[in-house]
Amino acid sequence: GENVEQHPSTLSVQEGDSAVIKCTYSDSASNYFPWYKQELGKRPQLIIDIRSNVGEKKDQRIAVTLNKTAKHFSLHITETQPEDSAVYFCAAGDSWGKLQFGAGTQVVVTP
Amino acid sequence: KAGVTQTPRYLIKTRGQQVTLSCSPISGHRSVSWYQQTPGQGLQFLFEYFSETQRNKGNFPGRFSGRQFSNSRSEMNVSTLELGDSALYLCASSLQSGEGEKLFFGSGTQLSVL
Repeated sequence: GENVEQHPSTLSVQEGDSAVIKCTYSDSASNYFPWYKQELGKRPQLIIDIRSNVGEKKDQRIAVTLNKTAKHFSLHITETQPEDSAVYFCAAGDSWGKLQFGAGTQVVVTP
Repeated sequence: KAGVTQTPRYLIKTRGQQVTLSCSPISGHRSVSWYQQTPGQGLQFLFEYFSETQRNKGNFPGRFSGRQFSNSRSEMNVSTLELGDSALYLCASSLQSGEGEKLFFGSGTQLSVL
């Protein structure tokens, strides 16, 4: 089955700096790669997703890149703000629609 | 439109007992998935139901089961509870089942097994 590895497990950045989270997956048939943000005590929420026919996607301060050959994808957050502090999960979806999640990255943005 | 609703919000049980968790999806959504969340382990997929049928299953023992009703509401049951079952159980709904469907999560049920 699919296996998704996510790094780093924790990430501390200064406000205004960029944050990068990387994920790798094992199933070459995976075609859908969403990212979820979970604030403390709240539900995970989809923030951006990318499909395998696209190499990069951007939405304001967040962007995702996908390298299907290398089977890795990344989340980039620019100009980080305190409200970006949360746990971020990457996921890879197989053809059945089953999502396999990474273990999560705790992002702390310090003023 | 109301979001995904899970009940109860908190649950305390003792080892050996059984528990039933409930999930009401967003109106119109036909797929419900269940995940177990524990610190450091991320979200572990339990199973997915679509049109009252289990469509996908994760690697959990048979003590974990679920079902879906004709109105798309879903329940998850855990029998013979173990200490290691303590976790946040999240359900998520999506419009359809299949590749690329966006998941909308509920707030979860925090289960503590003593």
